[in-house]
Amino acid sequence: DVKVTQSSRYLVKRTGEKVFLECVQDMDHENMFWYRQDPGLGLRLIYFSYDVKMKEKGDIPEGYSVSREKKERFSLILESASTNQTSMYLCASSFRKSGGGQTVGPAKNIQYFGAGTRLSVL
Amino acid sequence: QKEVEQDPGPLSVPEGAIVSLNCTYSNSAFQYFMWYRQYSRKGPELLMYTYSSGNKEDGRFTAQVDKSSKYISLFIRDSQPSDSATYLCAPSAGSNYQLIWGAGTKLIIKP
Repeated sequence: DVKVTQSSRYLVKRTGEKVFLECVQDMDHENMFWYRQDPGLGLRLIYFSYDVKMKEKGDIPEGYSVSREKKERFSLILESASTNQTSMYLCASSFRKSGGGQTVGPAKNIQYFGAGTRLSVL
Repeated sequence: QKEVEQDPGPLSVPEGAIVSLNCTYSNSAFQYFMWYRQYSRKGPELLMYTYSSGNKEDGRFTAQVDKSSKYISLFIRDSQPSDSATYLCAPSAGSNYQLIWGAGTKLIIKP
């Protein structure tokens, strides 16, 4: 089974703190994603990465940055946390390019999620 | 207008009822249509997906896509309290592996 692990289930931080959210996947997936989820707004894409050291802005990148130094790890950084960044943060991965379990066709688009990190900024 | 519209609910039905969950979309380039289920305080998990128009059945679940009207449906037969969750539709154009998410419909199955 694909496993996506997020380092913390719950975090409480103060306004202005630098916050690191870590995500690790164990399926040799090429793509990794960071979303935030708020009631009534669904999942909103913050950043995604399709390769090591590569990143692309999603729909709401302001106030966030990301780092992907290794294929299995994708970090989300809140440079200076603010109260409007209180949310559920979800990490996902997709698409194994080669080897056993290579994904083809529509399955390339399937995203596998971690359990989420509920962040409160006070 | 959002690319994917989904009624957030909540939708409350008695156990054993047939449930219909729906999404509409605007982008005619979408060709893959995913349904995810999310239990409270958990991440979303893939329930099923379809490619292009038509129906796909998996046990008590049927996914239906009508590309001519840009309408996506998920039917649940013989609904159970364990089906209580939020259901998210997520179509994709396929070219960049991104999914476009509906807001999710909260479903409550009453025993």
